[in-house]
Amino acid sequence: SQQGEEDPQALSIQEGENATMNCSYKTSINNLQWYRQNSGRGLVHLILIRSNEREKHSGRLRVTLDTSKKSSSLLITASRAADTASYFCATAPPSSGSARQLTFGSGTQLTVLP
Amino acid sequence: AAGVIQSPRHLIKEKRETATLKCYPIPRHDTVYWYQQGPGQDPQFLISFYEKMQSDKGSIPDRFSAQQFSDYHSELNMSSLELGDSALYFCASSSTLAGKNTGELFFGEGSRLTVL
Repeated sequence: SQQGEEDPQALSIQEGENATMNCSYKTSINNLQWYRQNSGRGLVHLILIRSNEREKHSGRLRVTLDTSKKSSSLLITASRAADTASYFCATAPPSSGSARQLTFGSGTQLTVLP
Repeated sequence: AAGVIQSPRHLIKEKRETATLKCYPIPRHDTVYWYQQGPGQDPQFLISFYEKMQSDKGSIPDRFSAQQFSDYHSELNMSSLELGDSALYFCASSSTLAGKNTGELFFGEGSRLTVL
């Protein structure tokens, strides 16, 4: 990926445990988003954090953003087998244009074992 | 709620043939994006349209072209297909409120192109 690198590439945990995925990016951003993708399916938006925000919560999801380190993390608490999927971070450029295309990272494959 | 609709869901073509993928964005969304995702790869941005005008261009090959029509649906045309074009092609849409894009993209389920 030209922009984001995700760490780890694959993560396997037991149901009920927490899962943490990290993302690093290279250029300035307007916002950073996390998406989930089940195998062969479309990407589903999970959460968006703006460049002036440091932390955001949504249900069992917690996202942090450190613009000085150009990194973000996604924490999924109390994981479930249904959370098994690939998780991608994506960054939107700071341009003022109406269409802000996203640049995706390389993704983390999360497997939650029942 | 209505989602992004893509067709066809699956497409098999021979090398050097042409293919056309269609995308119907969420109603009242004014921006359409096309992404290509190869096997095990992250989605790569190809091209976007805002209010039927090309907005941004990414890593779209010259053999590919796209347009957005008056009803806001978009088509991705691919010619002289190569084996490496085999991928999932996603369309996404978003809306602009008061001149600002809301940020979130809504993706379709994708069109899987297999080139033999």
